[in-house]
Amino acid sequence: SQQGEEDPQALSIQEGENATMNCSYKTSINNLQWYRQNSGRGLVHLILIRSNEREKHSGRLRVTLDTSKKSSSLLITASRAADTASYFCATDEGSGYSTLTFGKGTMLLVSP
Amino acid sequence: EADIYQTPRYLVIGTGKKITLECSQTMGHDKMYWYQQDPGMELHLIHYSYGVNSTEKGDLSSESTVSRIRTEHFPLTLESARPSHTSQYLCASGRAGGDGTQYFGPGTRLLVL
Repeated sequence: SQQGEEDPQALSIQEGENATMNCSYKTSINNLQWYRQNSGRGLVHLILIRSNEREKHSGRLRVTLDTSKKSSSLLITASRAADTASYFCATDEGSGYSTLTFGKGTMLLVSP
Repeated sequence: EADIYQTPRYLVIGTGKKITLECSQTMGHDKMYWYQQDPGMELHLIHYSYGVNSTEKGDLSSESTVSRIRTEHFPLTLESARPSHTSQYLCASGRAGGDGTQYFGPGTRLLVL
């Protein structure tokens, strides 16, 4: 069943601008992760935020988590053409099986 | 880059053929996963394993089978390929007792004619 839903489905911006992607989920979670996928490739883990955390930073990435609204956002600051990719949120429901449920992703296009 | 490998990267095959997609990781991870992903869509978990001789079916019903005879190796087999199996197949691994982070291979793009 679908857990994460990203919004928007696609986003087009210019280099230097900030990009914000949102993710909503339905059940309680242990943690939420964001992954990047370049066209036709595997996914790369970007950042993980635990259910008891509200905000986390990693380089140009900022992730927030609001467990009361069951939502998360990923902010990429000062975007670059190399940030062009699809971004997926994935939730770990902490059931003990350590499987992740992925959303449909946001396609980000950063133009030079 | 994660040390997880998939072969072949691309495969075009006729209906009815048996195929095996290979996945190997050198990180010593106990957990391994297979996902199916259509272009521009979400990932669907089709199989996973917690360790040697452990295999489980995922959320998406699949006609494929898997085996886990060695920690580092998690092949996926389709006994009789059909056009509906055309998709990208992604393999991933993760540490037992870790935070659930998964490390992905580059994927296999399968086209069944």
